[in-house]
Amino acid sequence: EAQVTQNPRYLITVTGKKLTVTCSQNMNHEYMSWYRQDPGLGLRQIYYSMNVEVTDKGDVPEGYKVSRKEKRNFPLILESPSPNQTSLYFCASSQTLAGPSYNEQFFGPGTRLTVL
Amino acid sequence: AQSVSQHNHHVILSEAASLELGCNYSYGGTVNLFWYVQYPGQHLQLLLKYFSGDPLVKGIKGFEAEFIKSKFSFNLRKPSVQWSDTAEYFCAVNALDGGFKTIFGAGTRLFVKA
Repeated sequence: EAQVTQNPRYLITVTGKKLTVTCSQNMNHEYMSWYRQDPGLGLRQIYYSMNVEVTDKGDVPEGYKVSRKEKRNFPLILESPSPNQTSLYFCASSQTLAGPSYNEQFFGPGTRLTVL
Repeated sequence: AQSVSQHNHHVILSEAASLELGCNYSYGGTVNLFWYVQYPGQHLQLLLKYFSGDPLVKGIKGFEAEFIKSKFSFNLRKPSVQWSDTAEYFCAVNALDGGFKTIFGAGTRLFVKA
């Protein structure tokens, strides 16, 4: 089944304790992205990746890191989490995001993170 | 900076009522436009998309949207809503010559009374 998976689905942690949220897609998609969803703010893009070893900042990259060593995986790293990073995080992937061959973004199930 | 504005944060309708959700974006160049839906407890899924051609696009479950370039708008419509349409709806824009960022609106929560 074509899907985007994220782990963990729920995480409660404390300020400053490094964590990684994994994201994996099995559709051989080139484009992957991370979003955070907060009430009243919709989804805001954190980082995106056009392909292996190609990443770029979205609108809210501060406090986050990403890497894209393999096409299927795009982990989100919080080196020193803070309470303002408490949010619902979504990973998404797409075959491509430009021009007439554009395809939709497929979203993972979300990771609810609480930083105490 | 690019932005997407959804006019209604909460909408309550009775079954069979007509729906129109507003979406305006600020960007003068070429765009791809989308509406995504998030049903309770589920992840986002695409309702419909526009990138060229006929400005009236049809999506799944009887939804449609009209792109009006002069108004920078991409409003979502459905002639007759059902209880199962209760969800949160997001408008999104990808500016083709502005990199590959995707900007989402704040979302509209729709509640349909049975």
